[in-house]
Amino acid sequence: GENVEQHPSTLSVQEGDSAVIKCTYSDSASNYFPWYKQELGKRPQLIIDIRSNVGEKKDQRIAVTLNKTAKHFSLHITETQPEDSAVYFCAASSGDDKIIFGKGTRLHILP
Amino acid sequence: EAGVVQSPRYKIIEKKQPVAFWCNPISGHNTLYWYRQNLGQGPELLIRYENEEAVDDSQLPKDRFSAERLKGVDSTLKIQPAELGDSAVYLCASSSAGSGTDTQYFGPGTRLTVL
Repeated sequence: GENVEQHPSTLSVQEGDSAVIKCTYSDSASNYFPWYKQELGKRPQLIIDIRSNVGEKKDQRIAVTLNKTAKHFSLHITETQPEDSAVYFCAASSGDDKIIFGKGTRLHILP
Repeated sequence: EAGVVQSPRYKIIEKKQPVAFWCNPISGHNTLYWYRQNLGQGPELLIRYENEEAVDDSQLPKDRFSAERLKGVDSTLKIQPAELGDSAVYLCASSSAGSGTDTQYFGPGTRLTVL
């Protein structure tokens, strides 16, 4: 089955700097890669997703890149703001339509 | 549009007691998921429903966990009896179709503490 690895587990960046979170997956049949943001005590919310026919997708300060050959994808947040502090989860949809989540990255935006 | 609704939000029980969680998905969403999220981990799928049919329950510990979605709308997840290791947040999610590429919308979760 699919296995998703996410790094780093914790990330601290200065406000205004960029943050990058990386994930790898194992199932070459995976074709959908969503990213969720979860604030403390709240539900995971989709912030951006990418499908296997696209290499990069951008939405304002957030971008995701996908390298299918290497089986890795990354989340990039530019011009970080205090409200970006949260736990971010990557996920991959395997060939059997099951979504497997990474273990999460706790992002701290430092003032 | 209302999001996924779950209740209760918090539940504290003693081990060996039963507990039930309720979920109301987004209107029109045929697919419903139950996840368990342990502290510091990502959500892990327990069961997935397409309408009233459980199409993936391979990760559901069937000796103590059960779920139902009788009319293809609301769903209930039950644990009987609860064990200390069941302490976690139980998340319900829904999507418009069962394809793994459809966006899943999560409810606020039920935080279960087993003493």
